[in-house]
Amino acid sequence: EDQVTQSPEALRLQEGESSSLNCSYTVSGLRGLFWYRQDPGKGPEFLFTLYSAGEEKEKERLKATLTKKESFLHITAPKPEDSATYLCAVQEWSGNQFYFGTGTSLTVIP
Amino acid sequence: DADVTQTPRNRITKTGKRIMLECSQTKGHDRMYWYRQDPGLGLRLIYYSFDVKDINKGEISDGYSVSRQAQAKFSLSLESAIPNQTALYFCATSGNLRDRGPHEQFFGPGTRLTVL
Repeated sequence: EDQVTQSPEALRLQEGESSSLNCSYTVSGLRGLFWYRQDPGKGPEFLFTLYSAGEEKEKERLKATLTKKESFLHITAPKPEDSATYLCAVQEWSGNQFYFGTGTSLTVIP
Repeated sequence: DADVTQTPRNRITKTGKRIMLECSQTKGHDRMYWYRQDPGLGLRLIYYSFDVKDINKGEISDGYSVSRQAQAKFSLSLESAIPNQTALYFCATSGNLRDRGPHEQFFGPGTRLTVL
């Protein structure tokens, strides 16, 4: 069964303390892996698309990487405004459905 | 203006009532989706549509129905609402039928539905 698992469930960082979030996936064929940011009570906001092992994407303090079985979202020198839930999703090769992880809730303390 | 809009944003209703949630998009995408989000369960797919004549069940379609009135409009109905349908509902869009690559999804702001 296709599955997406994110870890940790929650992460508290001091401002400036870098860390990584993990997304592991099992799909029969990967069309794409996506990272989203979600603020409380709001819709997920698209961050990155990855589809090839070894690929990396960057945006401000965030960098996403992809291997054959997992993806990492690296957060460098985070700020309080980076506090949010980060969601990972995969699209299987047929393209018909997306599978979401339950997210990592990140809190950055000033 | 937002690319994906949802109405209403909040709704409180009673058990047994019929409810319709509406979604409109200006992104020109063919593919549209309805999800619900519950604490600890993440986003779960209810229905999806790849064009006006195409409707497909997702993971949790029981108790729900949909209508694709136009390329830009996709509505979700709860024929007889029950309390365990209390959740945050999201509409999303993702690209066109001829797209071959990955299809990132773009989400609306959500509808918070409470069924008493």
